[in-house]
Amino acid sequence: AQKITQTQPGMFVQEKEAVTLDCTYDTSDPSYGLFWYKQPSSGEMIFLIYQGSYDQQNATEGRYSLNFQKARKSANLVISASQLGDSAMYFCAMTLGGYNFNKFYFGSGTKLNVKP
Amino acid sequence: GAGVSQSPSNKVTEKGKDVELRCDPISGHTALYWYRQSLGQGLEFLIYFQGNSAPDKSGLPSDRFSAERTGGSVSTLTIQRTQQEDSAVYLCASRDRDTGELFFGEGSRLTVL
Repeated sequence: AQKITQTQPGMFVQEKEAVTLDCTYDTSDPSYGLFWYKQPSSGEMIFLIYQGSYDQQNATEGRYSLNFQKARKSANLVISASQLGDSAMYFCAMTLGGYNFNKFYFGSGTKLNVKP
Repeated sequence: GAGVSQSPSNKVTEKGKDVELRCDPISGHTALYWYRQSLGQGLEFLIYFQGNSAPDKSGLPSDRFSAERTGGSVSTLTIQRTQQEDSAVYLCASRDRDTGELFFGEGSRLTVL
């Protein structure tokens, strides 16, 4: 069975510091995609970053980067220079195969609190 | 509209009543997903559609839950004989065929008294 594991239910980080949110995944499918979503207290789900299993380089989007370690099956999200607005729930997700006909598996989430 | 639209945004109902939740995906997105999120919890997969068919209904919690999609567009999630444990936010998402990204609606918050 495929699954996503986020082992940190909650984390604190000081404003302007970097933080790493952990995500490990389990699949035997060689083709998969990994996503991170942010959910602020308002409830909306905001796409942050995507990494494909065949991508050679780690994905980056502004202050977000994905530390993709394929052999370890980990896809940690790194947020640099944390801001107060980064306080939210963060979900790691995985999809298998091609872009169609696939289910998204979500982790249980990590609640990040950025302290001033 | 430009995004995924869900209605109602809030629904309060009495135990035992039926409810219908509606999702209008982004135009052109053929894949549509329903998730349930209880307070402070993660996303629980319910069902997904590819066009009008549902290849995976494995997440529906019981036979009180059903969903349909017509015309490859709007989807309706129906919960019959609601129970208090059905109280949650029901999130709908549609998927961009090119990027694979899921776009979420703002959710329908269901409260069963």
